[in-house]
Amino acid sequence: AQSVTQPDIHITVSEGASLELRCNYSYGATPYLFWYVQSPGQGLQLLLKYFSGDTLVQGIKGFEAEFKRSQSSFNLRKPSVHWSDAAEYFCAVGAVNTDKLIFGTGTRLQVFP
Amino acid sequence: NAGVMQNPRHLVRRRGQEARLRCSPMKGHSHVYWYRQLPEEGLKFMVYLQKENIIDESGMPKERFSAEFPKEGPSILRIQQVVRGDSAAYFCASSPPYYPHEQYFGPGTRLTVT
Repeated sequence: AQSVTQPDIHITVSEGASLELRCNYSYGATPYLFWYVQSPGQGLQLLLKYFSGDTLVQGIKGFEAEFKRSQSSFNLRKPSVHWSDAAEYFCAVGAVNTDKLIFGTGTRLQVFP
Repeated sequence: NAGVMQNPRHLVRRRGQEARLRCSPMKGHSHVYWYRQLPEEGLKFMVYLQKENIIDESGMPKERFSAEFPKEGPSILRIQQVVRGDSAAYFCASSPPYYPHEQYFGPGTRLTVT
C-alpha cells in the first residue's frame, strides 16, 4: 500500500536560514508527488508537483523539491526562509491506478525573526 | 477564476443532528474529492465523484456518511446523526478532466459537534 512519511513533526528556523523538509514515500512504481502548504485555519495551497521528467522541480514562493528514486524521497527546500513561510507543510503521493492523494502527517514550520 | 468554494466555513451541530457540507468546484473542473482532517493529523481521502457518479468511496465510513455531485449544483457531503468523533475539518478539492491528481483545495468546513 502507498504511504507517505514526514519524519519531522515540528521544525524551527531563523528567518533567512535555509530550509529542508523531508518526505519519504512507499510505492512500487514512480508516483506522482506533491507538496502543499496550509496556513492556520486555511485550506491547502499547491506548492509544486512532480509527475515525470526533470527530478528537480520548481514551485511557487521560491520553493523547490528534488525527487530521488533511490531514496524514495521528495524533500522540499528553500534557500532563505521568510517569516510568512510559517505554516504546516504536507507531502502527498498519487498513483496511476487511483485518483486519490495520500498525505503525510505534516511538518509544522516555525520561523523566528 | 474563482477557486474551490465551500460553505459553510464553520458548522456547529449537536449530537444526533445532520450536517450538510457544500462544495463548488473550480470552473471547468469536473472531478470532486472530499478529505477529512482530524486535529493534528494529515488529510484522509473520503470519496471521489464526477457529475452524477461516485467513482471511489473507499474512504467513506460505512454508516451515516454519504456524498453526491448532482448534474446541477454543488457537491454535498452529508453526515447523519453526527457524533463527537465527526468533529474535524472537511476539505473539498477539484481537478480538471484528464488531470485527476492536480487537485486544488477549498478553504474547508470546520465541523464541531457538541
